Amino acid sequence: EAQVTQNPRYLITVTGKKLTVTCSQNMNHEYMSWYRQDPGLGLRQIYYSMNVEVTDKGDVPEGYKVSRKEKRNFPLILESPSPNQTSLYFCASSLGEGSEPYNEQFFGPGTRLTVL
Amino acid sequence: GENVEQHPSTLSVQEGDSAVIKCTYSDSASNYFPWYKQELGKGPQLIIDIRSNVGEKKDQRIAVTLNKTAKHFSLHITETQPEDSAVYFCAAIITRYNFNKFYFGSGTKLNVKP
Repeated sequence: EAQVTQNPRYLITVTGKKLTVTCSQNMNHEYMSWYRQDPGLGLRQIYYSMNVEVTDKGDVPEGYKVSRKEKRNFPLILESPSPNQTSLYFCASSLGEGSEPYNEQFFGPGTRLTVL
Repeated sequence: GENVEQHPSTLSVQEGDSAVIKCTYSDSASNYFPWYKQELGKGPQLIIDIRSNVGEKKDQRIAVTLNKTAKHFSLHITETQPEDSAVYFCAAIITRYNFNKFYFGSGTKLNVKP
């Protein structure tokens, strides 16, 4: 089954304790992104990756890191989490440029993060 | 950058009635406008989309209209059913440097009352 998976689905942690949220897709997609969803603000892009070893900042990158060592995986790293990073996080993937429908994004099920 | 505004933030309708959600965007370079449905506990899922060279698109009970001049697009759901209850997001996409940048609206929580 074609899908985007995220782990963990729920996480409660404390300020300053490094954490990683994993994301994996099995559709051979080139593009992957991380979003955070907050009430009244919709989905805001944190980081994105156009291909392996190619990543760039989205609209709200502060406090986050990413890596793209393999095409299928795109982990989100919070080196020193703070309470303002409490949010619902989504990973998404899509085909690369030149393929139709190249701009449909497939979202993972989400990770609910609480930073105390 | 692009700014996408979505209204209303909440919408409550009776089963069988129609529901309309509206979005506006600011950047005329936006060329693709998808709508996503997010059910409780799940990630957003594409339900319908429209490209900038098309004015209207319909898929069974849902339709999307686009007015490029006014920079607004709308989602129309007819004969609503309780399973239509969800949060709906609009988005505008700009393609620059071979990358499609998504700009999402703030979401509309639709409640269909039986």
